[in-house]
Amino acid sequence: AQSVTQLGSHVSVSEGALVLLRCNYSSSVPPYLFWYVQYPNQGLQLLLKYTSAATLVKGINGFEAEFKKSETSFHLTKPSAHMSDAAEYFCAVTGEGGSYIPTFGRGTSLIVHP
Amino acid sequence: NAGVTQTPKFQVLKTGQSMTLQCAQDMNHNSMYWYRQDPGMGLRLIYYSASEGTTDKGEVPNGYNVSRLNKREFSLRLESAAPSPTSVYFCASSGSGAVEAFFGQGTRLTVV
Repeated sequence: AQSVTQLGSHVSVSEGALVLLRCNYSSSVPPYLFWYVQYPNQGLQLLLKYTSAATLVKGINGFEAEFKKSETSFHLTKPSAHMSDAAEYFCAVTGEGGSYIPTFGRGTSLIVHP
Repeated sequence: NAGVTQTPKFQVLKTGQSMTLQCAQDMNHNSMYWYRQDPGMGLRLIYYSASEGTTDKGEVPNGYNVSRLNKREFSLRLESAAPSPTSVYFCASSGSGAVEAFFGQGTRLTVV
């Protein structure tokens, strides 16, 4: 069964520092991968997605992620953190069984210090 | 641009009470989902509906029932609430193929 592991339930960075949120997936078929962001007391919204085109995917708010099949990874990065980036981030995988039901990781809370 | 609309936004129940959550989407999506979010557990799938007239169990279906009323609406019923930290219920929908899911704002449930 498809699954996602997000390393680190909390990541703390200083404003202006590099953001790196880790996601590893398991899937028996070529996966489709997504990063979502959840701001406090809100629903999830899509940051970016990988659907077998370019392996480096650019999303909103300056985020990007690189699909690495050999490492089964889809890590999320941003060169310079902003205070407004503080939120919960979820990695999701879909595609197994042809049903496209998203399976989510446990989430990583990004804390940005001034 | 309503997207996915969930009601209510907040719910307080006593142990053993039931509740029904309503969800509607206006994007003509075939697939709809109910997830629950608990602290440190991420989002876990309760039930889903791949198309109008069909529903299937997800990872944590026990104690819940769902109804896909029509293509737009997908309701979730919790039969008997158990004491637990506040959980959040999300409805989501998606179109066909490898596309992203669109989420409602969530219902925050507290059981006292």
